[in-house]
Amino acid sequence: KAGVTQTPRYLIKTRGQQVTLSCSPISGHRSVSWYQQTPGQGLQFLFEYFSETQRNKGNFPGRFSGRQFSNSRSEMNVSTLELGDSALYLCATKPGGGANTEAFFGQGTRLTVV
Amino acid sequence: AQSVTQLGSHVSVSEGALVLLRCNYSSSVPPYLFWYVQYPNQGLQLLLKYTSAATLVKGINGFEAEFKKSETSFHLTKPSAHMSDAAEYFCAGSDRGGADGLTFGKGTHLIIQP
Repeated sequence: KAGVTQTPRYLIKTRGQQVTLSCSPISGHRSVSWYQQTPGQGLQFLFEYFSETQRNKGNFPGRFSGRQFSNSRSEMNVSTLELGDSALYLCATKPGGGANTEAFFGQGTRLTVV
Repeated sequence: AQSVTQLGSHVSVSEGALVLLRCNYSSSVPPYLFWYVQYPNQGLQLLLKYTSAATLVKGINGFEAEFKKSETSFHLTKPSAHMSDAAEYFCAGSDRGGADGLTFGKGTHLIIQP
């Protein structure tokens, strides 16, 4: 069974640009969450999608957005990139929406903003 | 909103010694609690989880954790450290509704001395 796949693995962008990251969940998983990991702030929750609807959202500015497709694949977009957006972005998927179920993480996309 | 605190950003133990990684949560209602491990350039892997079924939880690779409501703690232990245990460990909590996703501690880097 294939794991969670995030593409691309590495990305370098310039300040002011926008970027789109992709996450393909494990087959049958309908919940996709996104996290930002930085040395200073650690792991922070961005948002969760379930059945194509954003169900929960963390405390991030509106420049961070996402969507989920009918096949459960998800994308997140960051517009008007800032240096502080440099981070490892992790996607985590679950079969259903229960908070007590295990989240399976992808290897992440490392974004560097220059 | 809940918070998760991990005491000690770095813990060093000798191979074969006891591993103890500390985690405390702050929440009026005991949350679901998880321990994840992250190896370099990898995503997070679940070690174990507490979902109120049993206070002593056994996980993979010989790790276990005990939920203590009176101490609001969920410390991770392993009787005998192995070189392959060297990694970053994260304690995480989720409220029962999962509204804020997983709230992570800052992480503890476990170093194994030969």
